[in-house]
Amino acid sequence: GQNIDQPTEMTATEGAIVQINCTYQTSGFNGLFWYQQHAGEAPTFLSYNVLDGLEEKGRFSSFLSRSKGYSYLLLKELQMKDSASYLCAAMDSNYQLIWGAGTKLIIKP
Amino acid sequence: GAVVSQHPSRVICKSGTSVKIECRSLDFQATTMFWYRQFPKQSLMLMATSNEGSKATYEQGVEKDKFLINHASLTLSTLTVTSAHPEDSSFYICSASGDRGEIEAFFGQGTRLTVV
Repeated sequence: GQNIDQPTEMTATEGAIVQINCTYQTSGFNGLFWYQQHAGEAPTFLSYNVLDGLEEKGRFSSFLSRSKGYSYLLLKELQMKDSASYLCAAMDSNYQLIWGAGTKLIIKP
Repeated sequence: GAVVSQHPSRVICKSGTSVKIECRSLDFQATTMFWYRQFPKQSLMLMATSNEGSKATYEQGVEKDKFLINHASLTLSTLTVTSAHPEDSSFYICSASGDRGEIEAFFGQGTRLTVV
């Protein structure tokens, strides 16, 4: 079956770095997405990886290893506004998104 | 990024009534729209996929007669929750993909439905 695993909740300190991991199993693979979702709002796109390696975009970076079925989202210089849920989603061979349950990130001063 | 507008953002309705939620792509033509529901602290659950001008494809377990989806134009899709019950209370989100070339999905703002 198709499955996405990510931690339920993480806590980090303002100004620090946090890494949110995601493992996936899909029927075929057409890329891995990370979205940010604040409570009561719709998800907003953060990153897309389809090739192995690290993609850096400002304070946020995303990494993919296709052979391991593994990705992580790295957030640097954490700010209070980064408190949100981070959703990992893998696109299968039918271009359908398989969503993880999300990781709630709590930032403490 | 592309703009997808969803309306209303919040709605409270009485049990047994119907509620219509609209999803519009404002600056691109959405050939495909997706409807999700999300319960608190849970993932997005795909309900159905709709392509302009054709019948929606519903996911297993989603009642097509209860959740009516219409995608009559390239910029508008609607979800009607018919004969709503309290268990239908949820966060409904649409997303759209289309002719802009980006692979990411663009989401509407979501609709918080409360059935009393």
